[in-house]
Amino acid sequence: TQLLEQSPQFLSIQEGENLTVYCNSSSVFSSLQWYRQEPGEGPVLLVTVVTGGEVKKLKRLTFQFGDARKDSSLHITAAQTGDTGLYLCAGARGNKLVFGAGTILRVKS
Amino acid sequence: DAGVTQSPTHLIKTRGQHVTLRCSPISGHKSVSWYQQVLGQGPQFIFQYYEKEERGRGNFPDRFSARQFPNYSSELNVNALLLGDSALYLCASSRDRGISEAFFGQGTRLTVV
Repeated sequence: TQLLEQSPQFLSIQEGENLTVYCNSSSVFSSLQWYRQEPGEGPVLLVTVVTGGEVKKLKRLTFQFGDARKDSSLHITAAQTGDTGLYLCAGARGNKLVFGAGTILRVKS
Repeated sequence: DAGVTQSPTHLIKTRGQHVTLRCSPISGHKSVSWYQQVLGQGPQFIFQYYEKEERGRGNFPDRFSARQFPNYSSELNVNALLLGDSALYLCASSRDRGISEAFFGQGTRLTVV
C-alpha cells in the first residue's frame, strides 16, 4: 500500500491549459517535497513545503500544503510542453523520503 | 557548483554478479541517501549515511550494503544480483542529517540479465 497516493496517475493536456495534481496521505509529514523527473534522469527538486496551510509559488506553479500536513497539491497555470514529465511528491519521515508513485504529465503542442 | 554526481550512468550485469555504484554529494553536504526506482514507481529508500555512519535502512535484503567516506562520497554495493535488482539507483545529497531538502543525482541505470 502506497503511503502517499498521487492522482491522477496520468494526465494529457493541450498547451495553455491549467491542471492540478494531488498528493494525499493518512499520515502527517514534517515536510513535503515536489520533484519533476524526466525519463532516465534523477528527480529535480521543485519546492519544499513545511508549514500546514503553506502556499508557495514558482512562476506558473503553485504548491499548497494541507492544514494537517497530510496532503498537498500542485497547480500549473498555462501549461507548456516543457512541463512534460513525472511529478513526484515525497514526504519527510525521519531521515528518509517516502515517495508517491507519481503523476505522468504530457503537454501537447 | 557541481551537483550530485553518480557513476557509472549505465551498467549491465549478469545474475549473481556484484556491483558497486558511486556518488559524490554537493560540496558542503554531509548526508548521502540511496534510493531504488523501478519502472512506474516512485523511489524507494535504501540507506542514509551521515558523517560516515549508517543512520537509516529501508526494507532491502542484506545483499545491499553501503558506506560513506571521509570526503562524504558514498558507495552502494549489491551482491548476488537478481533480475529484480534492475532499476534506476538514485543518490540524494542533503546538508545535514534531516531530509527536509534532498537533491538527487542523475542516477545509475542498472540492468541485470
